[in-house]
Amino acid sequence: DAGVIQSPRHEVTEMGQEVTLRCKPISGHDYLFWYRQTMMRGLELLIYFNNNVPIDDSGMPEDRFSAKMPNASFSTLKIQPSEPRDSAVYFCASSSSTGGNYGYTFGSGTRLTVV
Amino acid sequence: SQQGEEDPQALSIQEGENATMNCSYKTSINNLQWYRQNSGRGLVHLILIRSNEREKHSGRLRVTLDTSKKSSSLLITASRAADTASYFCATAGSRDDKIIFGKGTRLHILP
Repeated sequence: DAGVIQSPRHEVTEMGQEVTLRCKPISGHDYLFWYRQTMMRGLELLIYFNNNVPIDDSGMPEDRFSAKMPNASFSTLKIQPSEPRDSAVYFCASSSSTGGNYGYTFGSGTRLTVV
Repeated sequence: SQQGEEDPQALSIQEGENATMNCSYKTSINNLQWYRQNSGRGLVHLILIRSNEREKHSGRLRVTLDTSKKSSSLLITASRAADTASYFCATAGSRDDKIIFGKGTRLHILP
């Protein structure tokens, strides 16, 4: 298995533009997680899905952020409109469970810079 | 908060020495996990210890858990340059709970 695949690896965009981040989880994993990592706040869980259904989106910072999982092999995280404070590394992870028995497998991340 | 806090924030040791990192948390947990993150990469799962376990080994890694003190430690023996990375603890409050990450310990192995 190629692991969790994220694209793009780097994204530079201007303030106000729409940004879409993509993730392909490991086949067979029922859970998908989106995290954001910054120096100030560390790793923050934004949202997670179970069997393509959003379960907990309490970490989504505001309405400008949205996430979808149209099928078991694809998820997107969209920011519209983007702001400089959204600059961070965004990680996608997948797992066979939430936290009970197995660890998470992370993608390599998307480094987002909003100028 | 369930979130773990690692200590120290940064650690530099000579290659070949042992490295110890600690994690403290505030609420009861189902399990505690340790992850490694190399610069510019995603996190890699290292080891999981359940609340009813006290110690676990994996290669050069040794993890302990003291639920009475709400703390865990990660020991890396005979450190190598390739161990240079950030190490995070993550806690799960219950079997079906999401895991919450601490802010990590930056480990630098000096040649």
